[in-house]
Amino acid sequence: DAGVIQSPRHEVTEMGQEVTLRCKPISGHDYLFWYRQTMMRGLELLIYFNNNVPIDDSGMPEDRFSAKMPNASFSTLKIQPSEPRDSAVYFCASSSSGGAREQFFGPGTRLTVL
Amino acid sequence: KNEVEQSPQNLTAQEGEFITINCSYSVGISALHWLQQHPGGGIVSLFMLSSGKKKHGRLIATINIQEKHSSLHITASHPRDSAVYICAVYGGATNKLIFGTGTLLAVQP
Repeated sequence: DAGVIQSPRHEVTEMGQEVTLRCKPISGHDYLFWYRQTMMRGLELLIYFNNNVPIDDSGMPEDRFSAKMPNASFSTLKIQPSEPRDSAVYFCASSSSGGAREQFFGPGTRLTVL
Repeated sequence: KNEVEQSPQNLTAQEGEFITINCSYSVGISALHWLQQHPGGGIVSLFMLSSGKKKHGRLIATINIQEKHSSLHITASHPRDSAVYICAVYGGATNKLIFGTGTLLAVQP
């Protein structure tokens, strides 16, 4: 069974460009999480969805960040316009049901904004 | 003060040694996750536990809810165990994980 799939694995872009990160959760999982990992701050939750509905986006840094989940098998995290301080590894994770359920992480997207 | 604290932050061991990584938290939790991340790699879930002890191969995780403390033990350590180990807790009735800062483990042959 495929795990969480993320694309692209690496993205290098210039400041001001739009960046779109993609995630396909494990089939049957109804929770999807977007995380950002940096050396300075470690892992941070940006936003999570339940049944395609955003539940908590309090971790989204600012209006430049947006996330959507148009269906149960696909989610995007968009940064527009991108800035060098957005350089990080972005992870997507999914879990079944709610509460304290084991989360399964994707391989991550390493974003570099020049 | 972070809600989830790990110690040590860095650990170097010789192959074959018994290793312990500690995690303390200050919030009420419903469960605790131990995660492993190899350099430049993805994040793998090792354990999720809410009481007692779990064992998987050479890895053992324990939790003491009253003391708000968990430990991850590695027996007969091997260089391939070299990674960052991250403790994360589900705070109360929430779906959100609160992460520790990680422990960087290096096992030398």
